[in-house]
Amino acid sequence: DVKVTQSSRYLVKRTGEKVFLECVQDMDHENMFWYRQDPGLGLRLIYFSYDVKMKEKGDIPEGYSVSREKKERFSLILESASTNQTSMYLCASSDAYEQYFGPGTRLTVT
Amino acid sequence: KQEVTQIPAALSVPEGENLVLNCSFTDSAIYNLQWFRQDPGKGLTSLLLIQSSQREQTSGRLNASLDKSSGRSTLYIAASQPGDSATYLCAAGSYNQGGKLIFGQGTELSVKP
Repeated sequence: DVKVTQSSRYLVKRTGEKVFLECVQDMDHENMFWYRQDPGLGLRLIYFSYDVKMKEKGDIPEGYSVSREKKERFSLILESASTNQTSMYLCASSDAYEQYFGPGTRLTVT
Repeated sequence: KQEVTQIPAALSVPEGENLVLNCSFTDSAIYNLQWFRQDPGKGLTSLLLIQSSQREQTSGRLNASLDKSSGRSTLYIAASQPGDSATYLCAAGSYNQGGKLIFGQGTELSVKP
């Protein structure tokens, strides 16, 4: 079974903090993705990566950065957390065809 | 630009009913169509993947079909159970969107005992 894990299920941070969300997959997938999910807005793609050290902006990259130093790990960084970044964050990895998601991190910024 | 729409947004049915969830997409140049299930507060679970050369896929009580020419996919759930209650999302993998998945807003299904 494909396994995508995320470092935390719930996270509470203060405004202005630097936040790291970690995602690890065990299927040797080339492609990894970070989404956020908000009521009424659906899933929105933040960043994605097709290979180690490669990154591409998604639809809403502002306020975020990413790091992919190893194939199995894709990190999402909130440089200076703001309250409008309170959301559910979902990581996914894929082979050429099918995406597999992690359990999600519910981030609250106060 | 690919757009994916799911109708209805919410559906409530009695246990045992067969039901169909609809997904439509605007750009027929897709390489796959994926159906997911999401339980409240959880991640997405992949249910079925239909590649562009296929017409349908089946897994247990689930059957998904794909008609690229009309821009539609359907997810058929046979003999629904309360445990099927969840939000169902479809997503189209579009060549013209750099290989990214474009998601619909989902259909929230409630199966009443």
